[in-house]
Amino acid sequence: AQTVTQSQPEMSVQEAETVTLSCTYDTSESDYYLFWYKQPPSRQMILVIRQEAYKQQNATENRFSVNFQKAAKSFSLKISDSQLGDAAMYFCAYRISRGGTSYGKLTFGQGTILTVHP
Amino acid sequence: DAMVIQNPRYQVTQFGKPVTLSCSQTLNHNVMYWYQQKSSQAPKLLFHYYDKDFNNEADTPDNFQSRRPNTSFCFLDIRSPGLGDAAMYLCATSPRLAGGYEQYFGPGTRLTVT
Repeated sequence: AQTVTQSQPEMSVQEAETVTLSCTYDTSESDYYLFWYKQPPSRQMILVIRQEAYKQQNATENRFSVNFQKAAKSFSLKISDSQLGDAAMYFCAYRISRGGTSYGKLTFGQGTILTVHP
Repeated sequence: DAMVIQNPRYQVTQFGKPVTLSCSQTLNHNVMYWYQQKSSQAPKLLFHYYDKDFNNEADTPDNFQSRRPNTSFCFLDIRSPGLGDAAMYLCATSPRLAGGYEQYFGPGTRLTVT
């Protein structure tokens, strides 16, 4: 079974600084996707960034980038120039590409609460 | 704007009194999911529909049922809510099961059981 682990229950960062959230996962599959979702307080969860396992290039979306290390099964999220609006719970998630009993399902990590200090 | 809508946003029910939560979508997505999220925890998948095909997670209690009368709507029925069922319930949609398609989440319904 696939598992996703976020070892940092809470993180904090000063506004305009950079923060990195950690995520590791365990899978025997070779073809899968990894995601970071953001859940602000009392607001809906939204996708921040996604990474296809077969792509070596790290995904980037504006201030958000990932460090994907497939051999190490590591998928960290870097937030540059942090803003107050980045404060949220961040979930790392895994999804198999096709087939199997986990088809179509997201496996979430435990989440990391990010606080941004002005 | 296309979106996932959940009603009501807050629901209070009594112990043992059946309750229904509603989800609708304007995205015309094939897949609809129901998650249970307890305080500061990861969402836990209860079940999902691919079109009319229902897929129940092995550890979802029998107390939880779902209906999808058409593409746009999906309902979560809790037949006899217990105190342990108090949680946020999230509905999500996705175009397909395969690949890296994003799941689009609704704002959730917070269920309180008294």
